[in-house]
Amino acid sequence: QITLKESGPTLVKPTQTLTLTCTFSGFSLSTSGVGVGWIRQPPGKALEWLALIYWDDDKRYSPSLKSRLTITKDTSKNQVVLTMTNMDPVDTATYYCARQAGAEYYFDYWGQGTLVTVSS
Amino acid sequence: DIQMTQSPSTLSASVGDRVTITCRASQSISSWLAWYQQKPGKAPKLLIYKASSLESGVPSRFSGSGSGTEFTLTISSLQPDDFATYYCQQYNSYSLTFGGGTKVEIK
Repeated sequence: QITLKESGPTLVKPTQTLTLTCTFSGFSLSTSGVGVGWIRQPPGKALEWLALIYWDDDKRYSPSLKSRLTITKDTSKNQVVLTMTNMDPVDTATYYCARQAGAEYYFDYWGQGTLVTVSS
Repeated sequence: DIQMTQSPSTLSASVGDRVTITCRASQSISSWLAWYQQKPGKAPKLLIYKASSLESGVPSRFSGSGSGTEFTLTISSLQPDDFATYYCQQYNSYSLTFGGGTKVEIK
């Protein structure tokens, strides 16, 4: 059974750095072709892809947010960490992690999401 | 970035209706398109990948078609459980993008 779960702060102040952790089970990030991505969704708005890390440590970022994002993995802990610097109220959103499997870059398993509010 | 435009943004339909949602890409994405269903307060659920391949466990009333820049998601006979928001996602390029969503409401 594949599961993913996001964890991190629910409230951050403007200009702070957000660190989110995705802890997963049922698959390994050392398996060829597997990746884990982060996607966010502001309240009432559409989904936005943020970043993706692959089994071979290749990393991809949204061009519009690339300067603020860092994605890393700890294969031994089955975790993927996303950091986003210089948080702003417009970054208030539910943040999801999801598994990308195989050679195609869609997401077949998703975490439940975690709501992050940016406010002073 | 490749832009994905969904239409309509909202759709009112009745149980049993045939429903079609369109997704257009700003440039050709071959068949590298996925569709997701999202219910309020829940994570998206994968329905279709590679434009027309049905994810395991998804009811056969869902189908996808298209290639290049124009794609459709069809629900052949709308069921009560299908009232939700639907998103397309392109994965032709490493910069992944989602459409703006289509909310299917009860008429």
